[in-house]
Amino acid sequence: QKEVEQNSGPLSVPEGAIASLNCTYSDRGSQSFFWYRQYSGKSPELIMFIYSNGDKEDGRFTAQLNKASQYVSLLIRDSQPSDSATYLCAVNGQGDSWGKLQFGAGTQVVVTP
Amino acid sequence: DVKVTQSSRYLVKRTGEKVFLECVQDMDHENMFWYRQDPGLGLRLIYFSYDVKMKEKGDIPEGYSVSREKKERFSLILESASTNQTSMYLCASSPTKGRGNTIYFGEGSWLTVV
Repeated sequence: QKEVEQNSGPLSVPEGAIASLNCTYSDRGSQSFFWYRQYSGKSPELIMFIYSNGDKEDGRFTAQLNKASQYVSLLIRDSQPSDSATYLCAVNGQGDSWGKLQFGAGTQVVVTP
Repeated sequence: DVKVTQSSRYLVKRTGEKVFLECVQDMDHENMFWYRQDPGLGLRLIYFSYDVKMKEKGDIPEGYSVSREKKERFSLILESASTNQTSMYLCASSPTKGRGNTIYFGEGSWLTVV
């Protein structure tokens, strides 16, 4: 079982709609969770991180964390064509694994005009 | 802004060649990483360094070695390149402990082994 799981997509979203991305993780002791965006041929860039249960909002992006259910999600409101990218979920390990992010394989999002 | 620089963006090497990928960060970060990214497999950690001259194996260290002689520089070495090492290689750095301990990536190095 992979440590961080994401649906590969593609997730097709009409322009202006909400894109909802999900991520589950296996290490119950994980403390920090990150969402990265990666455009084709480019390196990942951080969107936001979250470490407390609940919601965290930053502009059009909202991260949601539920540690009891071991999932983290990302909502993109008012989706724009420029949001078309692959979104990577990453989880920070604990103990000996601290500092070494485990990445999901990513969800491809396609925003259609 | 954090800057992680990978000096070689595109390389083509022959099977059996020794390959050096260099990475420099300018934010005095303790931690540095080398990942490779392949379609469908996502990002996989090759090696990790949390201090000068210190290194730890990641998930896929076979066929690779690393060197960290200075805090700002972390090199990935392919002792004898093989075609299955054709990939995009990403260097990254992060500060030491902290809950929002973000990893910052370089622009990537595309390596083709023929």
